[in-house]
Amino acid sequence: GENVEQHPSTLSVQEGDSAVIKCTYSDSASNYFPWYKQELGKGPQLIIDIRSNVGEKKDQRIAVTLNKTAKHFSLHITETQPEDSAVYFCAASIEAAGNKLTFGGGTRVLVKP
Amino acid sequence: DAGVIQSPRHEVTEMGQEVTLRCKPISGHDYLFWYRQTMMRGLELLIYFNNNVPIDDSGMPEDRFSAKMPNASFSTLKIQPSEPRDSAVYFCASGSAVIVPYEQYFGPGTRLTVT
Repeated sequence: GENVEQHPSTLSVQEGDSAVIKCTYSDSASNYFPWYKQELGKGPQLIIDIRSNVGEKKDQRIAVTLNKTAKHFSLHITETQPEDSAVYFCAASIEAAGNKLTFGGGTRVLVKP
Repeated sequence: DAGVIQSPRHEVTEMGQEVTLRCKPISGHDYLFWYRQTMMRGLELLIYFNNNVPIDDSGMPEDRFSAKMPNASFSTLKIQPSEPRDSAVYFCASGSAVIVPYEQYFGPGTRLTVT
């Protein structure tokens, strides 16, 4: 089955700096890659996703890149703010498996003011 | 839309008791997922349904766990008998293969503590 590795497990950045989280996946058939943000005491919230037919997608201060050849994808947060502090999860899905997602282990991001 | 609704938000029970967690998916979604989250194992998919039919229950840890989806707007996850190692946050998520394929939306979770 699919395996998703996520790094780093913790990330501390200064407010205003950029944060980058990287994920690798094992199954080349995966074609959908979402990112979720989880704040304390809440459920994961979908913040951005990318499908295998594009290499990059941006939404304001966040962007995701995908390298299908290397089987890795990354989340980039620019101009970080204290409210970006949370746990971020990447995930991958294979169309043949329906909507089933396999999640990475999560990255705890702390933005220091 | 109210989003995915889960109840109760917190449950504390004694070992050996039956626990039932409830979920109402987003209207119009045809997929429903149950996840468990722990510090040690992260987010684990337990089971998912498509059009009320269980598709993959390979993540259900053992026979003490069961899930049902009697209609498109309601699902339950039952643990009987409960054990301390079942303590975790249980999330329900829903999605659609048609509206926006693959996107899943999570509920707020039920924090279960088994003493």
